[in-house]
Amino acid sequence: QVQLVESGGGVVQPGRSLRLSCAASGFTFSNSAMHWVRQAPGKGLEWVAVISYDASNKYYADSVKGRFTISRDNSKNTLYLQMNSLRPEDTSMYYCAKDTSLFCGAAYWGQGTLVTVSS
Amino acid sequence: QSVLTQPPSVSAAPGQKVTISCSGSSSNIGHNYVSWYQQLPGTAPKLLIYDNNERPSGIPARFSGSKSGTSATLGITGLQTGDEADYYCGTWDSSLSATVFGTGTKVTVL
Repeated sequence: QVQLVESGGGVVQPGRSLRLSCAASGFTFSNSAMHWVRQAPGKGLEWVAVISYDASNKYYADSVKGRFTISRDNSKNTLYLQMNSLRPEDTSMYYCAKDTSLFCGAAYWGQGTLVTVSS
Repeated sequence: QSVLTQPPSVSAAPGQKVTISCSGSSSNIGHNYVSWYQQLPGTAPKLLIYDNNERPSGIPARFSGSKSGTSATLGITGLQTGDEADYYCGTWDSSLSATVFGTGTKVTVL
């Protein structure tokens, strides 16, 4: 069965960096586009970034463009999100998700990892 | 703010039907597949509908999706107490080059 396990969250001060990881199993990771989606406490879903199966295409939400970088290692079945210059408004649960098709949705979701940006 | 608009809440009695609308534009719903998600309290979202009207295996036929023009609709029939959750639509926006989610709708079973 498909499993996505996020890690790397925690409490970080504003302006600092954090790298999230997502270990994938149960499907052919190297054939699948992958998303990061976040959800602030009590708020709705906010898409963060998507990467194509071969990393040739990457797209970002305006709110994170220039600060966050999505990447993948297909040899390790792992997705990453490098987050720099973190702000309090980046405080959220971060989910990785497998794409449905054409970047239109997320078929499977991890359980999430919580990032808190606070001094 | 999201480019996909949903009603904040809908409600109905057990056994009844509810529909949730998702309004967008030609750059998103109008030209791309729509997906729908259910998020139970304290859990990760779960895919209910993809490619406008397809159900993943394991999703009951009580859940259905449709699309017309720049709007999409999720229908839930035979409403159950376990259906109380937040529901989101999503799609790709070709103008923004971004995946977008709706504002979310809370379903309450009376």
